[in-house]
Amino acid sequence: QSVLTQPPSVSGAPGQRVTISCTGSNSNLGTTSDVHWYQHLPGTAPKVLIYGNNNRPLGVPDRFSGSRSGTSASLAITGLQAEDEADYYCQSYDSSLRAWVLGGGTKLTVL
Amino acid sequence: EVQVLESGGDLVHPGGSLRLSCTTSGFTFPHYAMAWVRQAPGKGLEWVSTIGGTTGNTYYADSVKGRFSISRDNSKNTLYLQLNSLRAEDTAIYYCAKMTGPTVGALYFDSWGQGTRVTVSS
Repeated sequence: QSVLTQPPSVSGAPGQRVTISCTGSNSNLGTTSDVHWYQHLPGTAPKVLIYGNNNRPLGVPDRFSGSRSGTSASLAITGLQAEDEADYYCQSYDSSLRAWVLGGGTKLTVL
Repeated sequence: EVQVLESGGDLVHPGGSLRLSCTTSGFTFPHYAMAWVRQAPGKGLEWVSTIGGTTGNTYYADSVKGRFSISRDNSKNTLYLQLNSLRAEDTAIYYCAKMTGPTVGALYFDSWGQGTRVTVSS
């Protein structure tokens, strides 16, 4: 059971918009700790997509965006492309556990 | 360009030990916190341990506390993870990751390696 809860899977057709939710608690997303998002293709190194709640590293398309509210956060992907098919993880810091925590991951399928 | 390369993964018996290494280049290693993150077969990513850059403070997930030990050699730009008292549930791909951020609560994994596989089985 992950500290941060994500849906196991989401799907969308090419060109559509999808969102992936990340639900936490008062000791992680409910604090000033940032939320970050990663994309992971099996067999490869995970890649940071969003850092500091809503910032994109150089090279990440602006189709990817992050937001947060209360004890939840979301990753939005617009203009879905086949290459977006991957696993996505949210991450934050839990002040009660004194640990960096990751969501259980969401598998995105592009139909 | 930041490069991170793990090594040392192997097949080991339950109760055994292993040391993973992570060699890095392309950044000022002593200035950055480093971490190990693992992924068990069919499971998601799980943070395992972090070591501070300048402080050298160490942090562990409850699942490995008392069994694993993280360390670093700043003269060799290398990170280590000593795995002791290994269990079947420690079977995973272990990723080394550079961390960055202005505060503990803002730290994230900005560069990752390809991982090294650890299998614990009799």
